[in-house]
Amino acid sequence: QSVLTQPPSVSGTPGQRVTISCSGSSSNIGSKTVNWYQQLPGTAPKLLIYSNNQWPSGVPDRFSGSKSGTSASLAISGLQSEDEADYYCAAWDDSLDGVVFGGGTKLTVL
Amino acid sequence: EVQLVESGGGLVQPGGSLRLSCVASGFTFRRYEMNWVRQAPGKGLEWVSYISTGGSTIKYADSVKGRFTISIDNAKNSMYLQMNSLRAEDTAVYYCARVHEGISSSALDYWGQGTLVTVSS
Repeated sequence: QSVLTQPPSVSGTPGQRVTISCSGSSSNIGSKTVNWYQQLPGTAPKLLIYSNNQWPSGVPDRFSGSKSGTSASLAISGLQSEDEADYYCAAWDDSLDGVVFGGGTKLTVL
Repeated sequence: EVQLVESGGGLVQPGGSLRLSCVASGFTFRRYEMNWVRQAPGKGLEWVSYISTGGSTIKYADSVKGRFTISIDNAKNSMYLQMNSLRAEDTAVYYCARVHEGISSSALDYWGQGTLVTVSS
């Protein structure tokens, strides 16, 4: 059972917009910034969004992040087949005194 | 080019020990906080341990506290994870990851390719 809660799977068709939710608590998302990772099959995770809504260099702005209260969301617009991957949210947790991850969401592009 | 290269994984019996290494290149290692993150086969990401620049602050997940020890050697641009009293549930790919400078310790901007640790008799 992960500290941050994500839907196990989402799907969409090419060109569509999809969102992935991440629910936490006051000790993590409610008081800390949220980061999102993309993990393509067989590869290491890649930082996709940091500090709730900032892009690392090279990440297209089709990916966007937001946070409200104890929840966060990742939106992917103009869905492409290469976006098919697992997506994880993460934040620091003051109660656990460490990084907590969501359980991951598998995105399928139909 | 930033690179993180893990090594030291392998097959070990329950109760045994392993020492993982992570060698960094392409950046000034001593300026960055670092983490170990693991992923069991077919499962999600699990944070394992954090170390600050210089090693003055260290944190562990409850699942490894008292069994794992994180350390760094700035002269060798390296981070280590000494794993003792290994259990079957420690079986995972172990990644080293760099903290994005000046950002939250949960923002990991570069990851190694991972090293597989298998705990089995």
